[in-house]
Amino acid sequence: AQKITQTQPGMFVQEKEAVTLDCTYDTSDQSYGLFWYKQPSSGEMIFLIYQGSYDEQNATEGRYSLNFQKARKSANLVISASQLGDSAMYFCAMSLQADRGSTLGRLYFGRGTQLTVWP
Amino acid sequence: DADVTQTPRNRITKTGKRIMLECSQTKGHDRMYWYRQDPGLGLRLIYYSFDVKDINKGEISDGYSVSRQAQAKFSLSLESAIPNQTALYFCATSDSGRGFTGELFFGEGSRLTVL
Repeated sequence: AQKITQTQPGMFVQEKEAVTLDCTYDTSDQSYGLFWYKQPSSGEMIFLIYQGSYDEQNATEGRYSLNFQKARKSANLVISASQLGDSAMYFCAMSLQADRGSTLGRLYFGRGTQLTVWP
Repeated sequence: DADVTQTPRNRITKTGKRIMLECSQTKGHDRMYWYRQDPGLGLRLIYYSFDVKDINKGEISDGYSVSRQAQAKFSLSLESAIPNQTALYFCATSDSGRGFTGELFFGEGSRLTVL
């Protein structure tokens, strides 16, 4: 069975500081993709960042970076220079066979981490 | 307008009523999904469809049915709603074409309350 674990139900960070949200995954597949989504209080799901299992470098998107440690099966999200607008629920997710030719493509989600940024 | 549109956005209904949540997309994606979100549980897959003729059950399909009326439309039905189906429901799409990663594109969600 595939599994995503987010062990931090809630995290707090002061504005302008960096924060790391933890995510570990469990799969026996060699080809997979890892995602982070943000869900603000308004409810929509916003894609943040993607990492393929064969990507050698950690993915970065602006203030977001994904700390991918394949041997540890971890895919932590790092948010640098936190802003008040970063306060939201964050979900880690995994797809199988991220490379072309996937026959599956569904995402498995963790339970989420509620991030609160304070002034 | 949103690329993935869900209707209704909010609905309150009573136990035993039939409810349909509709989803339409203008992204031209072939794959569509229905997820359910409950506090503390993340998102769980109800049904997914890889094309009009291909519909598959997800982890929690009991009590739900779906219809893929066209490539752009995927509806979720609760034949006889019960209170523990109170949740936030998301429709999502993905594109199996070139460059496929599995990224999902979500609708804005439909909040359903069953009394």
